[in-house]
Formats: sequence, structure tokens, C-alpha cells
Amino acid sequence: DVKVTQSSRYLVKRTGEKVFLECVQDMDHENMFWYRQDPGLGLRLIYFSYDVKMKEKGDIPEGYSVSREKKERFSLILESASTNQTSMYLCASSLRNRGLPTDTQYFGPGTRLTVL
Amino acid sequence: GQQVMQIPQYQHVQEGEDFTTYCNSSTTLSNIQWYKQRPGGHPVFLIQLVKSGEVKKQKRLTFQFGEAKKNSSLHITATQTTDVGTYFCAGGAGRRALTFGSGTRLQVQP
Repeated sequence: DVKVTQSSRYLVKRTGEKVFLECVQDMDHENMFWYRQDPGLGLRLIYFSYDVKMKEKGDIPEGYSVSREKKERFSLILESASTNQTSMYLCASSLRNRGLPTDTQYFGPGTRLTVL
Repeated sequence: GQQVMQIPQYQHVQEGEDFTTYCNSSTTLSNIQWYKQRPGGHPVFLIQLVKSGEVKKQKRLTFQFGEAKKNSSLHITATQTTDVGTYFCAGGAGRRALTFGSGTRLQVQP
């Protein structure tokens, strides 16, 4: 069974703080993704990575950065947290299917981040 | 950029009634996937469709992929309380990552 774990289920931070969200997968997947989920907006892709040290911007990368130093670990960084970044953050991973990042995604449990 | 629209946003049904959610893409898709997210949970993969006009069934769930590969639907026959949750479609195209629809939240009244 694929397991994707996220470092925290709930996190409360203050405006301006630097925030790290960690994601680890145990199935040797090439692709990893970070989404934020807000009511009525579905899942919006922030960044994804298709290999170690490789990253691509998703639809809403502003205010975020990512790091992938090891294949199993993908970190999302909020350089200076703001209240509009209060959200549920979901990490996912998938195999690289014929070089395309469109294979089945396995999600972690999510981190609910509140920025005060 | 690619957009995937999903309707309705919310549906409340009586147990035993049918339910359908629709997904429309602004561009032709290579594949479409469906996920279910239970309340308080995370999205879980249900199925993938890749062929034009494809229809797949999982018990009471029927998934269709349009002939033009730009739309899809999920139909649930005779809903049960266990069907409660949010259903997302996600479209794949070219080298881009999947684009998720905004989801349809299903509430089933016993």
C-alpha cells in the first residue's frame, strides 16, 4: 500500500513566519505534488516535482517555494506566511507514466494551516 | 491554461435517489480520473478513463468519457449514506500535471 505522510495535521502560525510543510512517500514515486484545498475552489496545484531537485510551477505558485532533495521527500515552504494562505494543504505522489505526470495520485492526510 | 469545470457544486439527495456529476474541460484531454474525498479525509482514486466514449462501471457507479474527450460524468444509482463525500474529476493533457475540477459535494439524506 502506498503511504504518503505529512508532518502535521494542524498547524497555527503567525503572519510573517517562515513555514515548512513536509511530505514523505514510501513507494519510490517519481512525481510529487503540493495542492491547496479551499471551499468551492477544489484542489489547486501549487508546485510539482518529477524528479529529485526538479520542480515545476503549478497554477498558484506565488508566495510558495518547494524543495526536493531526496526522492521520497517534498517540502513546501511559505517564505513569509500571510493570512490568505490559511488553507488545507495536500501532498500527493504518483508514478511517472510514460514520462507524463498524469498517473494515479496518492494523497497524504493533509495539513490544515491557520495563519493568524 | 487548461480549465476543468465541474457541476453541480453541491447536491443533496434522498437515500435511494440517483446522482450525477459532470465535468467539462476547455481542452481535449488524454485521460480523466475520478477521486472521492470523504468528510475529513483526503481524495482517494476511484477510476481512470482514457478512450473516447469509454464507459466503466464500479458496482453502482458508472463513469463516462465523452466522444470528444472533453467531458466526463459520474453517475451513482440508488445512493447510499456511504456515498457521502466530495467527488472530483481530474483531467490530464500533454505534459501538464492533472487539473482538478472544483468538486461536487454529495449529501445523502437517510
